[in-house]
Amino acid sequence: ETGVTQSPTHLIKTRGQQVTLRCSSQSGHNTVSWYQQALGQGPQFIFQYYREEENGRGNFPPRFSGLQFPNYSSELNVNALELDDSALYLCASSLAGVHGYTFGSGTRLTVV
Amino acid sequence: GEDVEQSLFLSVREGDSSVINCTYTDSSSTYLYWYKQEPGAGLQLLTYIFSNMDMKQDQRLTVLLNKKDKHLSLRIADTQTGDSAIYFCAEVPSNTGFQKLVFGTGTRLLVSP
Repeated sequence: ETGVTQSPTHLIKTRGQQVTLRCSSQSGHNTVSWYQQALGQGPQFIFQYYREEENGRGNFPPRFSGLQFPNYSSELNVNALELDDSALYLCASSLAGVHGYTFGSGTRLTVV
Repeated sequence: GEDVEQSLFLSVREGDSSVINCTYTDSSSTYLYWYKQEPGAGLQLLTYIFSNMDMKQDQRLTVLLNKKDKHLSLRIADTQTGDSAIYFCAEVPSNTGFQKLVFGTGTRLLVSP
C-alpha cells in the first residue's frame, strides 16, 4: 500500500508567478484535501476534492484552485503568488465517509 | 468560530511523562486527533479518540477527553528524545458537511537527556 506522495519537495518562485503542486493519493482513497502551513502555525484547510469536484473550501482567495483526476491524484494551483504564500503545503487523502487521513510530506514553497 | 488552542511549548526530561493539552471548539466533533510533526516533515497520525469515549490508551500514549469542557489531552509515558517534535490536536467540525480538519497551533515538545 503506497502512501501519499507530493512533488516537488521544495520550490522557489518569484512574486506574481504561478505554481502547480502535485499529490498522489494513497491507494484506495478517493478524496484529497489540501492544507497550508505557515511557519510556526498549524495547518489551515484550503479545499477538498471528491469525484473530481471541489467539495468544500476554506478561507482562501480564488487564486488558489485545484483539480482532481480520475485516478484521484490532485493538483493545487496558485496564481499571482504573494510573499505570504510562502508555506508548507500538505496534501491529505482519505476515503469518503470513513474517518482518517493520510498526509504527504509536503511541498515547501518559498516566494521571493 | 474555529479556534483550537494549545500551549506553545513543553520541556521535559527523558523518562518523565509529558502531558500536552488542547481546547477545542465544537462539542459535536465526532473524532479528535493527535498528530506529530518532526522538523521538515509532514504530519504523522499518532492516535485519535471517538467522541463517545473518555479515554483511549495506545502503548505509551493515553488520550483523555472531557467533552463538557471541550478539553483533550495527550499523555506520553516514559518520554524519549525521539519524541521531540511538534504535536497538533485536530477536530472535525460537525457543521461542515464534509470532513475537514481544524488544527491547533501546535505544542513544541523538547525532551532533554
